[in-house]
Amino acid sequence: ETGVTQSPTHLIKTRGQQVTLRCSSQSGHNTVSWYQQALGQGPQFIFQYYREEENGRGNFPPRFSGLQFPNYSSELNVNALELDDSALYLCASSFLDRVRDSPLHFGNGTRLTVT
Amino acid sequence: AQKITQTQPGMFVQEKEAVTLDCTYDTSDQSYGLFWYKQPSSGEMIFLIYQGSYDEQNATEGRYSLNFQKARKSANLVISASQLGDSAMYFCAMRVRDSSYKLIFGSGTRLLVRP
Repeated sequence: ETGVTQSPTHLIKTRGQQVTLRCSSQSGHNTVSWYQQALGQGPQFIFQYYREEENGRGNFPPRFSGLQFPNYSSELNVNALELDDSALYLCASSFLDRVRDSPLHFGNGTRLTVT
Repeated sequence: AQKITQTQPGMFVQEKEAVTLDCTYDTSDQSYGLFWYKQPSSGEMIFLIYQGSYDEQNATEGRYSLNFQKARKSANLVISASQLGDSAMYFCAMRVRDSSYKLIFGSGTRLLVRP
């Protein structure tokens, strides 16, 4: 079974630019979520997509947006980058079952540096 | 408010000994899930163990066990027979059963295993 893959692994952008991060979910999973992990902190929930629609969002501004495609791959877009956006961005997939919990499976992350 | 607290920023353990990583949580929900993840320096979040709020027995997965004390709202991770490869960041997380089933993470504990 193929795990969660993310690209690119590292990225350097300038303040004010836009960035797109990509994620390919684990096969058989129907949800994908994105988390931001600042240095020395735990991951913070950005949003989640289920069947190509956003079904939950954390405390992030609208310049953070996303897409989920029919093959369950996903993109995270960040507009008007700020220095505080520098972080590790983690994509996670899972099978959403409202009866039984299932763990999130994470990718290796994309480390974004904004200068 | 829903929150995860990990009070140990760093821990040392001697190889082959057991170690307990503390986690307390706060929620008013009756139904919730608790997870532990390991994050090596590579950045990937690796799922270790899960405990459901209605599970009567403590979860175990190989060398990992979860000491679940519901009344105290604690979910401590016990690693037996520590190995050098166990050196990593460890995060406790709680699944929130709103529409997104997002995870709320603690700030993590850095574990160093001494040879």
